[in-house]
Amino acid sequence: KQEVTQIPAALSVPEGENLVLNCSFTDSAIYNLQWFRQDPGKGLTSLLLIQSSQREQTSGRLNASLDKSSGRSTLYIAASQPGDSATYLCAVYGRDSWGKLQFGAGTQVVVTP
Amino acid sequence: EAEVAQSPRYKITEKSQAVAFWCDPISGHATLYWYRQILGQGPELLVQFQDESVVDDSQLPKDRFSAERLKGVDSTLKIQPAELGDSAMYLCASSEELTDAATNEKLFFGSGTQLSVL
Repeated sequence: KQEVTQIPAALSVPEGENLVLNCSFTDSAIYNLQWFRQDPGKGLTSLLLIQSSQREQTSGRLNASLDKSSGRSTLYIAASQPGDSATYLCAVYGRDSWGKLQFGAGTQVVVTP
Repeated sequence: EAEVAQSPRYKITEKSQAVAFWCDPISGHATLYWYRQILGQGPELLVQFQDESVVDDSQLPKDRFSAERLKGVDSTLKIQPAELGDSAMYLCASSEELTDAATNEKLFFGSGTQLSVL
């Protein structure tokens, strides 16, 4: 059974620092990996989707890498801002679970001014 | 910009009562998902529809939960009777279509319904 782990569970950084968020998964047979942002009491917003054949995706200050063989993905957020404060979740779309995303528990990020 | 609509936004109920949540996906999205998210955890899939058909309800507690999408558009999730452990955020999501091409489709989530069972 696929398991997705995100460490650390919480992270606090001063404004301007780069953020590095980690995601690991146990089964490398995946179609894609997605990173989501969730604000308190709200739904999820898709940030980046990396196909299994890709090694990274970029959108603005966000860059996500994927190392399928080692079961790891990293989300980098450059020059963090207080508005980046949120919970970031990764999710994998496994080949053995058609249509079902397996989520990690998320990393809660606080960017202090 | 098109959004997934959910209502109500918040629901407080007493245990043993019935509750219902409604979701209207983005127009044209054939696949609809109901997820449950307990505080501090990631969402877990309860049920998945392709048009009006259930694709996966293996994680749905069928003794008390039911879900329908009669016309393949909006959907209702019901809990009867509610239990204390059902307190959670119930999220609806949609995507265009569940096909091989859809393995790279993004999911669009609604704002969720926060359920508190007292």
